[in-house]
Amino acid sequence: AQKITQTQPGMFVQEKEAVTLDCTYDTSDPSYGLFWYKQPSSGEMIFLIYQGSYDQQNATEGRYSLNFQKARKSANLVISASQLGDSAMYFCAMRERAAGNKLTFGGGTRVLVKP
Amino acid sequence: DAGVIQSPRHEVTEMGQEVTLRCKPISGHNSLFWYRQTMMRGLELLIYFNNNVPIDDSGMPEDRFSAKMPNASFSTLKIQPSEPRDSAVYFCASSRQGILELAGANVLTFGAGSRLTVL
Repeated sequence: AQKITQTQPGMFVQEKEAVTLDCTYDTSDPSYGLFWYKQPSSGEMIFLIYQGSYDQQNATEGRYSLNFQKARKSANLVISASQLGDSAMYFCAMRERAAGNKLTFGGGTRVLVKP
Repeated sequence: DAGVIQSPRHEVTEMGQEVTLRCKPISGHNSLFWYRQTMMRGLELLIYFNNNVPIDDSGMPEDRFSAKMPNASFSTLKIQPSEPRDSAVYFCASSRQGILELAGANVLTFGAGSRLTVL
């Protein structure tokens, strides 16, 4: 079974609007961490935001927020006030305590921001 | 902080040749990871090291691939002999090996990647 599932292969968003990128995960480990990375066309992997399984509040980092629904095993990324520079691939990833330090990635969602 | 440094950035080689990719992790990071990215398979973890010791190499495709970490500041990924299906971007990443619940201790920092083309 897929550990991390990103069901949206690609999406358009209008500049200045918000966009939600879906991520569901599968684990039986009570201790895990969820990460989002951005990969622009230049190819580098840029860390955006982290959510721990025991965190009581949703993580936020500037225009990025994570909608963490533990019971549903979802960790959706919300980008507010989209900018042209947000056009990129976005990857959701998970680290499980029992699996050591391994970070497992989803298939990614490509976002294109329209002016 | 110079970040994770990978070399070469681009490599074009012919089938059958040996390829060596290099990585210098961030100073103080004691976990190092090699990932491969292709359109078909996405981002795959090949191998990772903790304190220079290989912990999990289950992602290494076959015996043609090998990775070493002789010290805390250097790692290599070698493909011998290379095949066209090895064409991909190979990323090295490093992190501290810390408590999972502490985000700052566990964020992987990626290098810029090495784009390999095997003809």
